[in-house]
Parts: sequence; structure tokens; C-alpha cells
Amino acid sequence: GAVVSQHPSRVICKSGTSVKIECRSLDFQATTMFWYRQFPKQSLMLMATSNEGSKATYEQGVEKDKFLINHASLTLSTLTVTSAHPEDSSFYICSARGGHGNQPQHFGDGTRLSIL
Amino acid sequence: AQSVSQHNHHVILSEAASLELGCNYSYGGTVNLFWYVQYPGQHLQLLLKYFSGDPLVKGIKGFEAEFIKSKFSFNLRKPSVQWSDTAEYFCAVNVVSSNTGKLIFGQGTTLQVKP
Repeated sequence: GAVVSQHPSRVICKSGTSVKIECRSLDFQATTMFWYRQFPKQSLMLMATSNEGSKATYEQGVEKDKFLINHASLTLSTLTVTSAHPEDSSFYICSARGGHGNQPQHFGDGTRLSIL
Repeated sequence: AQSVSQHNHHVILSEAASLELGCNYSYGGTVNLFWYVQYPGQHLQLLLKYFSGDPLVKGIKGFEAEFIKSKFSFNLRKPSVQWSDTAEYFCAVNVVSSNTGKLIFGQGTTLQVKP
């Protein structure tokens, strides 16, 4: 149980393109989803927290107009990297948790984004 | 700001050797603690977690961790590693009072087990 599907797994696109990444909880309702960014040989850095039906909460230093997050249902959240540039190239990982309080997060497989 | 520190960045062991990976966090209040593992090409998976109660917690695949509050530590241990334990290990902390579920991750430790 507790499977999180992230799509696509890899994206290569030109600079200036907008890229959408989907995160789905397949067998549970995700009241909260988290988006992380991971640089090579570094830890996961939380970008934003999204709760179903409300605006995402962004971490300090993360541009909300650059990284648009939508959590329209209890099973789907999307991250759109708008007008992507080479410096946005990274590994993006989503996670989801059901219920409230401090339930463990379940992670997607990640998306490798490469901007040429 | 809260932070999580994993002391070992890269550990190389032979099969059957014992493992201990260090994790320290900086926060004086109540925390929940986690160890996640990421096998090559796979997503992060929960190894074990501590919320309250017995500070020695047992997880999957023979792993255990001990929460020592006075040392702000949550070290991961396994008595005898296997080649299949080769992976990246992440310690993570959640500050209970935030009630956000947010996790703060350590830098990760790469474990390489030689057959």
C-alpha cells in the first residue's frame, strides 16, 4: 500500500519551456503533498507543501511564480516549472501523506529535469 | 533553524560487517524521527520511525535505531550488512509543534557493501 506515482520520470526540453510534473497517490487520499528538489550528492530540499484545496506554502527562497503548484484533488498534485532555464535542471521528488498529524510521507520515484 | 547532520557521507563495508550511521539534529523540542533508504534507481522508502515510547526502534530488513534525547541523536544500526543493503540512507526530522508534517533531511550517507 501507500504508493505514490510521479510522472514523467525524465524530461529534457529547451530553455524557456514550461514543464508540468504530476504526483498521484494511487491507493490512499493524500491530504498533504510535498515537493522536494535534490541536487547531485546533496540532500532533499523542501520546496513547498500543498494541502488539497488550498494554496501551497513555499519555503524561503523558492519562487512561487516560477514553481506553480496545484493540489486540486486528494490524489493529485502538479508542479509546473515555468519558463525553465538550465539552472532549473535538477531531480524533483514529490511525497504524499494521508490523514493529519505526523503520518509518514510516501515518496514518488522522482523526475529528472534537464533544460538545454 | 532546525538542521539534521549525518556524519558519514560514504561508508564502505564488507558483507557481515556491522553498521552504524550517525544522525544528529538541532532542535530542543519534541520531534519525530525517520530513516529512509533509497536503493539504486528506486524511490525513497521508510526504514523505521520514532514517534514516542521505547527509544530503540526496529525497522524493516533488520535495521534498528536508537533515539538518545540527551545527545539529539538517532543513529541507525544493523548487526550484519548484506550486499543488498547498498543504498543511500537519509535521516529526517519532523518538528511536532509545527503540525505541518514537514521533514528536514540530512545530507544522506552512501553505503556500499562489498560482497
